[in-house]
Amino acid sequence: EAQVTQNPRYLITVTGKKLTVTCSQNMNHEYMSWYRQDPGLGLRQIYYSMNVEVTDKGDVPEGYKVSRKEKRNFPLILESPSPNQTSLYFCASSSFRDRGRSNEKLFFGSGTQLSVL
Amino acid sequence: QKEVEQDPGPLSVPEGAIVSLNCTYSNSAFQYFMWYRQYSRKGPELLMYTYSSGNKEDGRFTAQVDKSSKYISLFIRDSQPSDSATYLCAMRRMDSSYKLIFGSGTRLLVRP
Repeated sequence: EAQVTQNPRYLITVTGKKLTVTCSQNMNHEYMSWYRQDPGLGLRQIYYSMNVEVTDKGDVPEGYKVSRKEKRNFPLILESPSPNQTSLYFCASSSFRDRGRSNEKLFFGSGTQLSVL
Repeated sequence: QKEVEQDPGPLSVPEGAIVSLNCTYSNSAFQYFMWYRQYSRKGPELLMYTYSSGNKEDGRFTAQVDKSSKYISLFIRDSQPSDSATYLCAMRRMDSSYKLIFGSGTRLLVRP
């Protein structure tokens, strides 16, 4: 089954304790991205990657790191989490082959609810 | 000012009603317009995709784009309780590789 898998689904941590949220896709997609979703603010892009070893900042990159060593994986790293990073996080992937076509779409994971105390 | 504005709702309608969901935007460079549906505790999934202006119909769903007014709509006919979800509009420029700008979402509740 084609899917984007995020882990963990729920995470409670304390300020300053490094954490990693994993993301993996099995569709051989070139493009992967991380979003955070907050009430009233919608989905905001954190980082994205156009391919292996190619990453770039989105709209809200401060406090986050990413890496893309393999095509299928795109982990999100919070080196020193703070309470303002409490949010619902989504990983998404897509294929450039579909760009501009009616089947162009982002495939989203099921989300990671992060609480930083 | 946000690039994409969407009324957060909630919008509560009886089963069978016609639902109209809307977004306005400020960037005239947007060319691709999408509606995503998000069920509670799930990731968004693409519902409708439209390029430039015009209408597109898929079953009970119709997406409408009015570029002159910078306004897009999603209509749901014969709404069902299973349509209860948050609906997010999204759009991108032609020269932007998958950089989608999302609205904040409208929560829809269809009452049986």
